Amino acid sequence: GDSVTQMEGPVTLSEEAFLTINCTYTATGYPSLFWYVQYPGEGLQLLLKATKADDKGSNKGFEATYRKETTSFHLEKGSVQVSDSAVYFCALGGGYSTLTFGKGTMLLVSP
Amino acid sequence: NAGVTQTPKFQVLKTGQSMTLQCAQDMNHEYMSWYRQDPGMGLRLIHYSVGAGITDQGEVPNGYNVSRSTTEDFPLRLLSAAPSQTSVYFCASSYSAEPNSPLHFGNGTRLTVT
Repeated sequence: GDSVTQMEGPVTLSEEAFLTINCTYTATGYPSLFWYVQYPGEGLQLLLKATKADDKGSNKGFEATYRKETTSFHLEKGSVQVSDSAVYFCALGGGYSTLTFGKGTMLLVSP
Repeated sequence: NAGVTQTPKFQVLKTGQSMTLQCAQDMNHEYMSWYRQDPGMGLRLIHYSVGAGITDQGEVPNGYNVSRSTTEDFPLRLLSAAPSQTSVYFCASSYSAEPNSPLHFGNGTRLTVT
């Protein structure tokens, strides 16, 4: 079945550092790929998405490129802020508007 | 904009008790789903619905029932709670199954079963 593997955390960075969170997937066909973010005590919010190979999703300085050849969708940001501290989930789209999630990666950014 | 509303926010149950987790959305979304979030496990799909009167099982449906009598509401029922059902539960909704229609999540219900 479909699955998503993302790097384990926590990832601890200083403010303005470069961020990469790795995500790889296994799926039949060519699913849409997503990154969701969860701030403490809240539900998940869509951060960005890509619907086909070589698409780049971007939002709030974050970006990720759908790489079919490496089945990857790594999340990057050039300069993180304290306010980016959250849990990040990579997910792939299934049928009927459902998602298969990775286990999540906690990001902690210190001033 | 209320979006997706889940109640209660917190609940403690004893083993064997029953309860219903409520989920309501005011966006006229056809697609709704329930996930549970456990440490180190990410979110796993419990049940989903593609419209009023239509539900189906997800990855981890055992111990849970759902129904969808209206477009707005999608309650999740635990008939006999077990400690393994201690988790944070999220309800989500979407306008369509197309990738450009993102899921909207509620803020979750934290359930503890003792």
